[in-house]
Amino acid sequence: SQQGEEDPQALSIQEGENATMNCSYKTSINNLQWYRQNSGRGLVHLILIRSNEREKHSGRLRVTLDTSKKSSSLLITASRAADTASYFCATDGYGGSQGNLIFGKGTKLSVKP
Amino acid sequence: NAGVTQTPKFQVLKTGQSMTLQCAQDMNHNSMYWYRQDPGMGLRLIYYSASEGTTDKGEVPNGYNVSRLNKREFSLRLESAAPSQTSVYFCASSGGLETQYFGPGTRLLVL
Repeated sequence: SQQGEEDPQALSIQEGENATMNCSYKTSINNLQWYRQNSGRGLVHLILIRSNEREKHSGRLRVTLDTSKKSSSLLITASRAADTASYFCATDGYGGSQGNLIFGKGTKLSVKP
Repeated sequence: NAGVTQTPKFQVLKTGQSMTLQCAQDMNHNSMYWYRQDPGMGLRLIYYSASEGTTDKGEVPNGYNVSRLNKREFSLRLESAAPSQTSVYFCASSGGLETQYFGPGTRLLVL
């Protein structure tokens, strides 16, 4: 069963604009991760935020976490055509043991030049 | 370093045929995973191996078997393929309880 649910399912923006994707989850977590998947490729880890953190930055990425609302957001600033991809949030599942992750269904981002 | 490699990249099977998907990692990771990805469904965990010699079921294990051959290799076997197993299969590995590193995927079509 899906733990994380991304919103929106699809997002289309112009190059230079900011893109915001949201993720909601159901149970307590130790951390939340965001992954990116280019078409026809495997997933690539972007950023991890721990349950005791509220915000984290990595380059043009900004992630926030609100454990009281069980939600997270990923902001990509000054987007580029190369940011076109699907973005997934993932939370540690099964009690956090074994490093298992539960992925959401993803947000498909299209950045138009 | 090649990271996580998967073979084959693409396979077509007839219903009832069997095949093994191969996965190898060169990062000395303890944990390895098999996922399937279907349109609109995200990734679902099939099986995982927390360490060499151990395997456990994930969310959707029915119709699959796995073997952790050694620390590097983790294979996924379909004994009798069904059209419902048409999917893209990803192998991943992890050195701890956090970040996972994914292979390029195997696209499987079962007719």
